[in-house]
Amino acid sequence: GQQLNQSPQSMFIQEGEDVSMNCTSSSIFNTWLWYKQDPGEGPVLLIALYKAGELTSNGRLTAQFGITRKDSFLNISASIPSDVGIYFCAGQLAVDFEKLTFGTGTRLTIIP
Amino acid sequence: NAGVTQTPKFQVLKTGQSMTLQCAQDMNHEYMSWYRQDPGMGLRLIHYSVGAGITDQGEVPNGYNVSRSTTEDFPLRLLSAAPSQTSVYFCASSYVTAGRTEAFFGQGTRLTVV
Repeated sequence: GQQLNQSPQSMFIQEGEDVSMNCTSSSIFNTWLWYKQDPGEGPVLLIALYKAGELTSNGRLTAQFGITRKDSFLNISASIPSDVGIYFCAGQLAVDFEKLTFGTGTRLTIIP
Repeated sequence: NAGVTQTPKFQVLKTGQSMTLQCAQDMNHEYMSWYRQDPGMGLRLIHYSVGAGITDQGEVPNGYNVSRSTTEDFPLRLLSAAPSQTSVYFCASSYVTAGRTEAFFGQGTRLTVV
């Protein structure tokens, strides 16, 4: 199946640090979605992107739809303890709009 | 506003047993999907539906059946459970309109097959 390469797989940071993660693919996407999953819960939508080059913020989170339409980036500024969790990117392929493809996730841990 | 509701939250099955995972949504979304989540594998699509009466296979459909008799409900059936089906299962509903889509997830069912 279609793969989305998400990196890094895990991050260990101190509270207050900024975080960056990304998803890349060899295919072109129409939509990029970023989700956060807390332990024992389902993924929750953070940001949706629909146009190449689009930059969208949600509080301390900022995500960008790559110009090539093959990648997307998520930044978290000034991390706080509640940012801990797994972050997933998901893309809607240009040629297969009925389905979403998910990345393998970035696990964020904040070191006290 | 319930959103997407999955039942049960936890389930233990013996190999060979059958069961149905329930999923219901109250957002009147046409699209519904089932995913499984395994460590290091992200979310993999099992089956999906683009409307009542219409279903299709995803990336990992073997061992699972689905049906969509109403817009609200999309049950996932395991006919003969195998240890390889031990996983966390998520149901999602979504809309697709004017080039935009967003998927909303249930809280998941953690299934163990022994």
